[in-house]
Amino acid sequence: GNSVTQMEGPVTLSEEAFLTINCTYTATGYPSLFWYVQYPGEGLQLLLKATKADDKGSNKGFEATYRKETTSFHLEKGSVQVSDSAVYFCAPGTVKNAGGTSYGKLTFGQGTILTVHP
Amino acid sequence: DSGVTQTPKHLITATGQRVTLRCSPRSGDLSVYWYQQSLDQGLQFLIQYYNGEERAKGNILERFSAQQFPDLHSELNLSSLELGDSALYFCASSVFPTETYNEQFFGPGTRLTVL
Repeated sequence: GNSVTQMEGPVTLSEEAFLTINCTYTATGYPSLFWYVQYPGEGLQLLLKATKADDKGSNKGFEATYRKETTSFHLEKGSVQVSDSAVYFCAPGTVKNAGGTSYGKLTFGQGTILTVHP
Repeated sequence: DSGVTQTPKHLITATGQRVTLRCSPRSGDLSVYWYQQSLDQGLQFLIQYYNGEERAKGNILERFSAQQFPDLHSELNLSSLELGDSALYFCASSVFPTETYNEQFFGPGTRLTVL
């Protein structure tokens, strides 16, 4: 099955610092890759995604590039803000076909807590 | 707002009891997924339904069951509750998954506290 290894947190940064959260995965087949973010007291929101090798997903200043050769999908942001404080989850997603019907599965990493101080 | 709704938002109950959590997927989504989030286990996939049929099972206990109804809403039933079942339970939905698109949209969650 799929598995994900995320950079252990918590990560504490000052505002405007550079952020990297590492993510490596193992998966059968050719997964799509996602980063989800969970703000305090809320559900998970999709932050960005990439569906094939060398694709770069980006949103709200965050970026991640699908690296098939290293099975990685590291999250980066050039200048973090206090409002970026949240838990970040890396998740490869695979689709299996059984009996003519597809179903998707996301495997989540353990999450990385990011705290940004003013 | 993801378009996925969950009720109730909070639930407090006692050990040994049974509860039902409800989820309405985004309009047009046929797949519903249930997840449990706890401090010690992280975010764990429980079960997936597609158009009323069970499609995939994860780390779901035998005391837990789920179903998806013809109107596509889903319910997660938790019985013989134990203290360790206290967690956040999330529902997510997605469109018919294809090889390149299986993004899931999450609801706000139900926080279950077992006393």
